[in-house]
Amino acid sequence: DADVTQTPRNRITKTGKRIMLECSQTKGHDRMYWYRQDPGLGLRLIYYSFDVKDINKGEISDGYSVSRQAQAKFSLSLESAIPNQTALYFCATAFGGRTDTQYFGPGTRLTVL
Amino acid sequence: GQNIDQPTEMTATEGAIVQINCTYQTSGFNGLFWYQQHAGEAPTFLSYNVLDGLEEKGRFSSFLSRSKGYSYLLLKELQMKDSASYLCAPVEGTDKLIFGTGTRLQVFP
Repeated sequence: DADVTQTPRNRITKTGKRIMLECSQTKGHDRMYWYRQDPGLGLRLIYYSFDVKDINKGEISDGYSVSRQAQAKFSLSLESAIPNQTALYFCATAFGGRTDTQYFGPGTRLTVL
Repeated sequence: GQNIDQPTEMTATEGAIVQINCTYQTSGFNGLFWYQQHAGEAPTFLSYNVLDGLEEKGRFSSFLSRSKGYSYLLLKELQMKDSASYLCAPVEGTDKLIFGTGTRLQVFP
């Protein structure tokens, strides 16, 4: 089984709909991250969490919210989806400490029509 | 501010050596990661440099010069499966990776 899983893997939705993307990990890592990737722009950080009680905004948090339900689960919500949120979304985890490698989930391809 | 510069695309021949350069400007620099990403897939960890110098790991090596804000990834004995994007990611502070747009490498037979 994969260490970091994301659901759904693909989603097509309409403008204005609420969408939730879920991330689960079995690595026992404390830190979890949400990124989006757009062609020509690279990976950009949306939100990150160092533990269940710690949530931080990243570079591009507007239009998104997150929930850290447990150490192993970190969800990303789009309250009212818009077309420019069409992107590939990745969840990542890291053990913690000073600087640690981030391990990425397989990604969710989201299309907002 | 943050600025990461790496070539957009590179091509090379199977069996050859290729060097992918990355220059960066970040605040609170704390090392630099290189990731490999095949099209449509997740980035996977290749290397991490925090001190100046060369780190060798099999066919892949990574170099860092903190004073010059410069790193490179060296790929030897290229294989077709090395065709992918290579992402340079300096660390800002203790844990924020700042990703470049990546270098798309195409390996030809």
